[in-house]
This record gives sequence, structure tokens and C-alpha cells, in this order.
Amino acid sequence: EDQVTQSPEALRLQEGESSSLNCSYTVSGLRGLFWYRQDPGKGPEFLFTLYSAGEEKEKERLKATLTKKESFLHITAPKPEDSATYLCAVQRTGNQFYFGTGTSLTVIP
Amino acid sequence: GAGVSQSPSNKVTEKGKDVELRCDPISGHTALYWYRQRLGQGLEFLIYFQGNSAPDKSGLPSDRFSAERTGESVSTLTIQRTQQEDSAVYLCASSSRGISYNEQFFGPGTRLTVL
Repeated sequence: EDQVTQSPEALRLQEGESSSLNCSYTVSGLRGLFWYRQDPGKGPEFLFTLYSAGEEKEKERLKATLTKKESFLHITAPKPEDSATYLCAVQRTGNQFYFGTGTSLTVIP
Repeated sequence: GAGVSQSPSNKVTEKGKDVELRCDPISGHTALYWYRQRLGQGLEFLIYFQGNSAPDKSGLPSDRFSAERTGESVSTLTIQRTQQEDSAVYLCASSSRGISYNEQFFGPGTRLTVL
């Protein structure tokens, strides 16, 4: 069964305290893995797409990495404005995307 | 340009009533998705439109749910005889090319509450 599991469910960090979010998946025929940020009351906002194991992408304080079974979203020296829910999604062969339940990140000043 | 818009932003209805939700994708985007997001759960795929191809309806949970799209423009999601378990945020997303290669741009969602 295709599954996407994100951990932890919630994470509280002090400003400047680096950490990582995990997305593990069991999907046959992976075509891509996507990271999104979702603020309360808004739709998800695209961050990264990763296509193959070993691939890495960076944007400001965020860095996403991919292995054959999981992806990490590393947050370096986070700021309060990084507080949001971070969603992981995988696309398998075909048109369907499978989303995890997200990690709710709170960065305390 | 303008992003994906959805209307209404909130909808409260009584059990058994029909509701229609609207999505205006980004102009020129050929691909359009509908998702359902229940409280505390991940996004659940409902339906996918790509250009003039037949839609992928494999995610629709029951025959009470249907969706239409006129060409590459507006889409409507209709839920007939609503049930309390239909309460959720319904999100629409569009993409500029084949969904394989491009990110999805999401609208703000419609929050549906069925009493």
C-alpha cells in the first residue's frame, strides 16, 4: 500500500536552533517528491521537487534531500517566520499525489 | 498575475443539501486538481483534469461527488446530498504543464461545514 509518513507531527524550536523534518514513503514507481509549506487558512505553497536519490535542493534556510525511502527537510537557524506546517507529497506513476499529514513547526523568538 | 482563486471561502450547509464549489485556475494552466483536507489529515486527491483529456476521477469518494471543467478554465466540484463527513477544506490546484514536471499552485480553499 502506498504510504507517506511525516515525523515529528509537531516541532518546537528556539530561534536559531537547527533541525530536520522527515518524510518516509512506500510508493512504487516514484516520479517525484514534493515539499510544501502551509500557513493557517491558506493553501500549500510549493517549496521543492526532488526526483532521484541523492538529489538536494536549497532555498534560503531550507534544504531538502532524498534517498530511496525518505526525504529530509533541514532547517538551518530558523526564524519565527518559518513557523508553518510542512507537507511532503509523492507522485507515483500516473496522476495521483499522496500527501503526508505534515509537521507543524513553531519557532520561538 | 493572479493566483488560483476559489469560492466561496466558507460554506455552511445542512445535511442532505447539494453544494457547488468553484475554482478559477491560473490563466494558461492546463492541469487542475481537486483535493480534500480533513482536520488533522493530509490532502486527499479527488480528481484531476488535464487539458481536453478525460479526467482522472479515481479519487472521488462516492457518486455524490462530481466535477466539471470547461476547457482550461473554471472548474466546479459538486457534492450532492451532503453528509457530515463531507465537512473539510476543499483545495484546488493548477499547474502550467503536465503535472509530472511542474509544481502545483494552490488556491486558499473552501471550508465546507455540514450541520
